[in-house]
Amino acid sequence: EPEVTQTPSHQVTQMGQEVILRCVPISNHLYFYWYRQILGQKVEFLVSFYNNEISEKSEIFDDQFSVERPDGSNFTLKIRSTKLEDSAMYFCATTRDRNTEAFFGQGTRLTVV
Amino acid sequence: TQLLEQSPQFLSIQEGENLTVYCNSSSVFSSLQWYRQEPGEGPVLLVTVVTGGEVKKLKRLTFQFGDARKDSSLHITAAQTGDTGLYLCADNTDKLIFGTGTRLQVFP
Repeated sequence: EPEVTQTPSHQVTQMGQEVILRCVPISNHLYFYWYRQILGQKVEFLVSFYNNEISEKSEIFDDQFSVERPDGSNFTLKIRSTKLEDSAMYFCATTRDRNTEAFFGQGTRLTVV
Repeated sequence: TQLLEQSPQFLSIQEGENLTVYCNSSSVFSSLQWYRQEPGEGPVLLVTVVTGGEVKKLKRLTFQFGDARKDSSLHITAAQTGDTGLYLCADNTDKLIFGTGTRLQVFP
């Protein structure tokens, strides 16, 4: 069964460092998303991406965040200068079309120290 | 900004018991979805409901959508340990807006 793959599964980084989280979407999916879940809190939308550009972003997704699909397969989330409060599980999700079933990856646990 | 409140926040029951969890929205849902998330995993879609008053069944799970399309319930009959997880409701509106979640623990 096709699945969304995320790497790494766990990343520990020092405050102020840049991190890149990677996602390989399901091959025929066209819409890509990043969500985050701070420990013990709800899953929050960060950004949606379609046709090689951002469709929508939340207030959380400030100038420190960026997304791209550099090689037509990987979909990446970059945090330029990490803060302690960026520590969370980051989930990539993809859908085949708008508003169809979202498939989530297993997440990357980011710990900023 | 739409707010989705779920209750209860935590639920701990024994195998074989029945339970109901609730989801209430501050505004009308576009399309309501229920997800289950297990530890260390991403959410997995259980069901999508669109029409007010709709009832859907998935084995021992019964999902009900309120007539006004602002609330929903999930009822589990004869809970099993495999039902343990975080249950999330979400509104699907070009992106997913998730509820606060109900963490269910089923003991043998």
